[in-house]
Amino acid sequence: EVQLLESGGGLVQPGGSRRLSCAASGFTFSYYAMTWVRQAPGRGLDWVSIITSGGSTFYADSVEGRFTISRDNSKNTLYLQMNSLRAEDTAVYYCAKAPRAGGATNYFDYWGQGILVTVSS
Amino acid sequence: EIVLTQSPATLSLSPGERAALSCRASQSVSSYLAWYQQKPGQAPRLLIYDASNRATGVPARFSGSGSGTDFTLTISSLEPEDFAVYYCQHRSTSITFGQGTRLEIK
Repeated sequence: EVQLLESGGGLVQPGGSRRLSCAASGFTFSYYAMTWVRQAPGRGLDWVSIITSGGSTFYADSVEGRFTISRDNSKNTLYLQMNSLRAEDTAVYYCAKAPRAGGATNYFDYWGQGILVTVSS
Repeated sequence: EIVLTQSPATLSLSPGERAALSCRASQSVSSYLAWYQQKPGQAPRLLIYDASNRATGVPARFSGSGSGTDFTLTISSLEPEDFAVYYCQHRSTSITFGQGTRLEIK
């Protein structure tokens, strides 16, 4: 059974940093692209970043230069390092996996339960 | 960047009725469109991929159609558990979501 479990959320001050983790199980993690999607309170889904199975990374303009996505295949874990945090980064952050091993993906078939990051003084 | 516009913003229907949710792309996305369902406090759930393919475990009352710029998610006969928010999504140079349609009980 595929499981994705986010951790690392919490309250952080504006300008601060936070690292989110997403522990994966139930599939061969290294074979799949993984993504982060966030949802501000009461708002819609907002894509953040994606990392391919080969390690290529892509970011939304709103987080480019501030957030870094990475993966540790030996630990079956996806990360999101968030720096220079702003109030507008307050959201539930979800990790999700691509449906097929390797290559590009156009959608995501399994999602974690999400973790809340609150940026406030 | 491709913009996805969903309509209506809110749809009020009764159990047993048919629901049709629209997603319009600002330029052609071929058939590369997915639909997700999200219930309060839960993660999104993949329903439809590549415009018309049901994801594993999705009931047959859910169907997707369309290509190019106009897409529809149809729920043939609403069950109580279907009342939720629905999002369409596409990947081009980035990944974009529509703003969502809230399906509420009338």
